Amino acid sequence: DVKVTQSSRYLVKRTGEKVFLECVQDMDHENMFWYRQDPGLGLRLIYFSYDVKMKEKGDIPEGYSVSREKKERFSLILESASTNQTSMYLCASRTGLATEAFFGQGTRLTVV
Amino acid sequence: GEDVEQSLFLSVREGDSSVINCTYTDSSSTYLYWYKQEPGAGLQLLTYIFSNMDMKQDQRLTVLLNKKDKHLSLRIADTQTGDSAIYFCAESIVAGTNSGYALNFGKGTSLLVTP
Repeated sequence: DVKVTQSSRYLVKRTGEKVFLECVQDMDHENMFWYRQDPGLGLRLIYFSYDVKMKEKGDIPEGYSVSREKKERFSLILESASTNQTSMYLCASRTGLATEAFFGQGTRLTVV
Repeated sequence: GEDVEQSLFLSVREGDSSVINCTYTDSSSTYLYWYKQEPGAGLQLLTYIFSNMDMKQDQRLTVLLNKKDKHLSLRIADTQTGDSAIYFCAESIVAGTNSGYALNFGKGTSLLVTP
C-alpha cells in the first residue's frame, strides 16, 4: 500500500520559532511537493522537488525553504514562523508527469 | 500559477445526480484530475482523464472534457450522503525554472448531500 507520511497531524508553535515539517514517501517517487490549504483559497504550491537536492519555487515560497537530502524525504522549513503561516500543510509525491499524486494526511499548523 | 476555476458550493438531495464544473488554464495539460477530500483527511484521487479523451465513465462517476473550452466536469450519479466532501479539479502544469511538472488545483467545491 502506497504511503506518504507527514510527521505530525497537529502542531502549535510560537511566532519567531523555526519549524520543520517532515514528509516521507515509500514509493521511490522522484517528485515531491508541499502545498498549503486555506479556506476559500484551495491548495497553493509552496515548493516542489523533482530530484534529490533539487528544489523549485512554487506560487508562494516566501517565508519557507525546503530540504531534500534523500529521495524519500522532503522537509518544509519555516525559518521564523508567523501567524499568517497558520494553515493546513499537505505533502504529496508522484513519479512522473502523467501519474496521480499521492497525498499525506496533512499537518495543521497553528502559530500563536 | 493561473487559476483553475470551480464553484465553491453545491448542495444536492440524496439520490440525485451531482455535477461539478471546472475551467482549467493550460491547454497542453496531458492529464486532468479529480480529487476528493473528506473532513480531516488528505486528498485522494477520484478519477482522471487523458487529454485525448472527451469522456470517461467509472461506476457512478462520469468525467466530461471539452478541450476547446478548457472545461472539465464531474458527474456523480445517485449521490449518497457519503459523497459529501470537497472535490478538487487539478491540471498538470510545467512549473519552476527547470520546467518541472506540478499539479495546479482549483479552490475546491464543497458538496453537501442532504437526505
